[in-house]
Amino acid sequence: SYVLTQPPSVSVAPGQTATISCGGDNIGGVHVHWYQHKSGQAPVLVVFDDYDRPSDIPERFSGSNSGNTATLTISRVEAGDEADYYCQVWHSGSAHRVFGGGTKLTVL
Amino acid sequence: QVELVESGGGVVLPGTSQRLSCAASGFNFNLYALHWVRQAPGKGLEWVAVTSYDGTETYYADSVKGRFTISRDNSMNTLFLQMNSLRVEDTAIYFCAKDAVTHCGGNCYSDYWGQGTLLTVSS
Repeated sequence: SYVLTQPPSVSVAPGQTATISCGGDNIGGVHVHWYQHKSGQAPVLVVFDDYDRPSDIPERFSGSNSGNTATLTISRVEAGDEADYYCQVWHSGSAHRVFGGGTKLTVL
Repeated sequence: QVELVESGGGVVLPGTSQRLSCAASGFNFNLYALHWVRQAPGKGLEWVAVTSYDGTETYYADSVKGRFTISRDNSMNTLFLQMNSLRVEDTAIYFCAKDAVTHCGGNCYSDYWGQGTLLTVSS
């Protein structure tokens, strides 16, 4: 089965830049999507197809994908960005949706 | 606006069955694939199953294959998850999620999610 690896936690001060990685075998060959999930709420799509943003997501959220690593970058981090972030791909070989283990973003 | 409302959770005994529902509104229900995704206590998101826009294609996570069945009623704008032979490890919040495409061929992602319904499997 296809595995996506994320760091369990990332900490950043307000106003700084947070970088969350998502590792997978040749992940650059598939589209990666990112979700923000706050406890007790519905997950929210923040980046799709590697780097595109839904219209209601701030430009501070951006993504990239190449080789064996995809990255979600959050610029000018705010307290309200504190949440769990998950990367996701569709693995055609197994016809499975795969999520990374999630990264807890803490705003110091 | 798009709304997805899950129901059917509760406390059930191991080995029993339960059916979850997801009522949808605010979009053309019969044009999009739909997923169930769950989150066990203290754990991350785990994909459970997907159905294509017309229900003809379904796929399942290995952990639920043969026990769970995803289905949809396009006339009622409702998604279902029939869960049989429930195990303690099936305890989780179950989310339904709308996909941005008709079926998950080469790529798919969910642009809207519900708030989830909690299923607890315990003796």
